[in-house]
Amino acid sequence: NAGVTQTPKFRVLKTGQSMTLLCAQDMNHEYMYWYRQDPGMGLRLIHYSVGEGTTAKGEVPDGYNVSRLKKQNFLLGLESAAPSQTSVYFCASSPLPGTVPSYGYTFGSGTRLTVV
Amino acid sequence: EDKVVQSPLSLVVHEGDTVTLNCSYEVTNFRSLLWYKQEKKAPTFLFMLTSSGIEKKSGRLSSILDKKELFSILNITATQTGDSAIYLCAGLNAGGTSYGKLTFGQGTILTVHP
Repeated sequence: NAGVTQTPKFRVLKTGQSMTLLCAQDMNHEYMYWYRQDPGMGLRLIHYSVGEGTTAKGEVPDGYNVSRLKKQNFLLGLESAAPSQTSVYFCASSPLPGTVPSYGYTFGSGTRLTVV
Repeated sequence: EDKVVQSPLSLVVHEGDTVTLNCSYEVTNFRSLLWYKQEKKAPTFLFMLTSSGIEKKSGRLSSILDKKELFSILNITATQTGDSAIYLCAGLNAGGTSYGKLTFGQGTILTVHP
């Protein structure tokens, strides 16, 4: 029972480099999300997807792009990394709200990204 | 824009104390308020509250929602060192283009000393 899997778990990038974070879920969830977590800021939504082939901007989308070509995968891309993107990134998935009695996101274990 | 504010931001107590964590929200098309506990890694789900005035309990943890005053509290009685964590609350938006979005508060860092 894998749930939500994020890769990689750690990464160090130089300013200007690009990378892609992968999120995979095996629960057949419709919704998927990317958050970043910084000290004292809680979790802030970057982008999200309500189904295969759809994406939408969240609270802090600048500098990131996403794609959801397959229902089980949600990719987060950084085209030109900046030190301000140093953070812990969490992916999450959920079924349609209200479709299960105890609705709640399932989170991945996070990716710690450092941009130097 | 949806907003969730938690207080206090940090709290230090001794084992056996009772703590109350606060969460206020402004969420359009509000559906539910969720509480999570975060230790070293990903947040883990504690409660989802949808109706006002109905307390949810799990062991020493309990939570209640007031939809008139737009806030929720999380109580932890007889705290233990294992309760040390970041506690996050989040408001669920169930309307229009924001359907399914969770907006999180900043979190309360709880430290329980032996």
